[in-house]
Amino acid sequence: QKEVEQNSGPLSVPEGAIASLNCTYSDRGSQSFFWYRQYSGKSPELIMSIYSNGDKEDGRFTAQLNKASQYVSLLIRDSQPSDSATYLCAAGGDSNYQLIWGAGTKLIIKP
Amino acid sequence: NAGVTQTPKFQVLKTGQSMTLQCAQDMNHNSMYWYRQDPGMGLRLIYYSASEGTTDKGEVPNGYNVSRLNKREFSLRLESAAPSQTSVYFCASTPFWLGTGGIQPQHFGDGTRLSIL
Repeated sequence: QKEVEQNSGPLSVPEGAIASLNCTYSDRGSQSFFWYRQYSGKSPELIMSIYSNGDKEDGRFTAQLNKASQYVSLLIRDSQPSDSATYLCAAGGDSNYQLIWGAGTKLIIKP
Repeated sequence: NAGVTQTPKFQVLKTGQSMTLQCAQDMNHNSMYWYRQDPGMGLRLIYYSASEGTTDKGEVPNGYNVSRLNKREFSLRLESAAPSQTSVYFCASTPFWLGTGGIQPQHFGDGTRLSIL
């Protein structure tokens, strides 16, 4: 059974601090990894894609991938109240067309 | 640019009724997907269509059928609705497969909130 695991939270972070979200995956064959943000009552919105080991930065967001440890993380710098949402991690699954989804981590940024 | 459009946005059904959820994308994407999301849970794949003319079962296909009408449209049908099918349904699409480089991200519609009494 291919799985993606995330801590459900909630993760509470003060405004302006760094929020760190983590995800582990079981399928060593996964090559594609994604972080989505989902506000309550809304659809998932892509934040970051990462395909290679290392870090990828986009504005306040940094995705980190470690394939040896089967670990993906998302760092949000200078956290804002508008970052409060559920963050979903997804990994390319056992076919070339499917993603395996984590259940999400709820992030709360406290002003 | 509309992206992925789902209709209807809300629907209430009685047990045993049937209905079709519609999804259309205008991004010329090859693959399309239907997910359901229940409170506090992640996305569960119902059916997907890797390309026009093909459909395959996902994790939770029982009670559903799909049709890939053309490259743009992918519909989900509930033949005899049950209360357990009360959920939020998302349609998603993705461009061509990258080959050994992996897969591209999925783009989501706004969802259909379905209640079955």
